Amino acid sequence: KAGVTQTPRYLIKTRGQQVTLSCSPISGHRSVSWYQQTPGQGLQFLFEYFSETQRNKGNFPGRFSGRQFSNSRSEMNVSTLELGDSALYLCASSLGINSPLHFGNGTRLTVT
Amino acid sequence: GIQVEQSPPDLILQEGANSTLRCNFSDSVNNLQWFHQNPWGQLINLFYIPSGTKQNGRLSATTVATERYSLLYISSSQTTDSGVYFCAVVGGADGLTFGKGTHLIIQP
Repeated sequence: KAGVTQTPRYLIKTRGQQVTLSCSPISGHRSVSWYQQTPGQGLQFLFEYFSETQRNKGNFPGRFSGRQFSNSRSEMNVSTLELGDSALYLCASSLGINSPLHFGNGTRLTVT
Repeated sequence: GIQVEQSPPDLILQEGANSTLRCNFSDSVNNLQWFHQNPWGQLINLFYIPSGTKQNGRLSATTVATERYSLLYISSSQTTDSGVYFCAVVGGADGLTFGKGTHLIIQP
């Protein structure tokens, strides 16, 4: 069974631009969640989707948004990028609410 | 929101040693997981353990939900065990909340 796939692996963007990250969950997993990891703040929850509906949202500004498609694939978008958005963005999938999470390898975003 | 504290923050051991990592949380949880992040950044799920005890090879974990803590035991450490170990919980309507992790270095 293929694992969680995130694309791209690396991104370099300029302040003010926007970016879209993609995540393909493990086959059969309907829950997809996103996390931001920085040296200062650690791992922080962004949002979670289940069957195309956002079920939970972390404490991030509205510039951070996401969506989930009918095939469970998910995208997250960050608009008007700031230097502080530089981070490792991790996607995880699971069967449901109280199930083990399986993470992808992440997308490392650098904002210059 | 729920608070998660992990200890110790850093741990350096010789190969073959045993270790215990602790995770304390501030409220009742219905989901607790342990992860290992390797030096390449990949997060691997070790245990899904909201309560009770589980074992997987040299690793085992125990969660005492009523006392709001979980322990991860690593026996006969190997250099490949190096990395950061995270505890993460779900409480109430919040998403997964991670602790700051324990940075483990196993020296040959």
